[in-house]
Parts: sequence; structure tokens; C-alpha cells
Amino acid sequence: SAVISQKPSRDICQRGTSLTIQCQVDSQVTMMFWYRQQPGQSLTLIATANQGSEATYESGFVIDKFPISRPNLTFSTLTVSNMSPEDSSIYLCSVKTGLNTGELFFGEGSRLTVL
Amino acid sequence: GQQVMQIPQYQHVQEGEDFTTYCNSSTTLSNIQWYKQRPGGHPVFLIQLVKSGEVKKQKRLTFQFGEAKKNSSLHITATQTTDVGTYFCAVDRGSTLGRLYFGRGTQLTVWP
Repeated sequence: SAVISQKPSRDICQRGTSLTIQCQVDSQVTMMFWYRQQPGQSLTLIATANQGSEATYESGFVIDKFPISRPNLTFSTLTVSNMSPEDSSIYLCSVKTGLNTGELFFGEGSRLTVL
Repeated sequence: GQQVMQIPQYQHVQEGEDFTTYCNSSTTLSNIQWYKQRPGGHPVFLIQLVKSGEVKKQKRLTFQFGEAKKNSSLHITATQTTDVGTYFCAVDRGSTLGRLYFGRGTQLTVWP
């Protein structure tokens, strides 16, 4: 298993600003992902955070808007840049602990409200 | 876009009634996973199905993977108020990247 700490847990931001969300795992993990979940909706994969290299983004998500870092095997950040009210959502960090383990572990999420 | 269709979107049942949610794919799946998300919580892994026709049970929960590996179901027998939440199926594209794509979920409400 994995224990994932995300912060901030929630924030209220002004339009046009940027916010960085941090994800810290209690053990080294093979894969880290960032998801977005809008209220009452499903989870949408934003990107795969690759250790030591650029993240792999899903269709509809770009690095300029959602820059991601992963400097080591236990930590990643997601920045939501130039925010608009449409970015209001819960952002979830998730990890896989092993190559042969399919299960995803999720952080508690960061609830972002953009005014 | 959606990799898998999940129905129904909502289900309201009386405590003690059964509940089923279904996931269907137009393409053959390598495996399928199921997650539960309690209100205000984060998704929690329930199970992974890999084999054609596989059936797995966890107490009152029964998970099935279709023979063609294109559909799956989660059935809860005699629901309890603790079963409240949203149930998601999740699939990958069979690549080594390990990315999971979630169905839209079925939100279960259980009336006492």
C-alpha cells in the first residue's frame, strides 16, 4: 500500500493566478498520475508524472496549463496556471506501487475553487 | 474520451435490496478494475478482474468479467447504508504505461 499526502487540501484562488499542488508518498512508487474530478463527475486523467523527465499528457491537457514535476520517486507537483473558474475542481494524485500491481492509490485530493 | 460506458448513472434502493452496475466496452479489455468513492472521499480500489468469465466475491459484492472481456458488472446483495457511494469501473489500454481510465460511475443511494 501507499500513504499519499496532498496539499493544499483546498484553496480559493483568483482568476489569472496559478496554484501548485504537492503530492508526497511515504514510499518509492513506480508511477504517479494526476487526475481531475469535477463535482459529481468521473475522474479524468490529466497526465502521467515521469521521474526525471517531462510528463506525459492526455488529450486536452497541455504542459503550459498544467506543468508537472517529479524530481524523485516519492514526490510530484501539479501547477494549475492562469486559472479560470472552469478549473474549479478536485485534483487527485494517484500512484501505482509496482509494475505488476494494477491497483491505484489516491491522495485525499485538493479542492480548488477559482473565483 | 470515455473508454468504457457505465450504467446506470444513479441508483436509489431501499436497504436490503440488491444493486448492480455495469460497464461495457466496444473493444476487448486486458483487465478491469472497480473502485468505490464515498461521499467526500477519494476512490478506493475494490478489485481487479483479468480472466475471461472471471467471477470474484467480496462478502456481499460479486464482480464479473464477461467471456469476451468487453463487459463487467458489480452486484451488491442486500445493500446496507454503508454501501452508499459512487462505484467506478476503470480500464487501461493495455500499454505498459499503466494509465487507468474511469467510467462515469454509478452513484448509489441507500434508503434506511
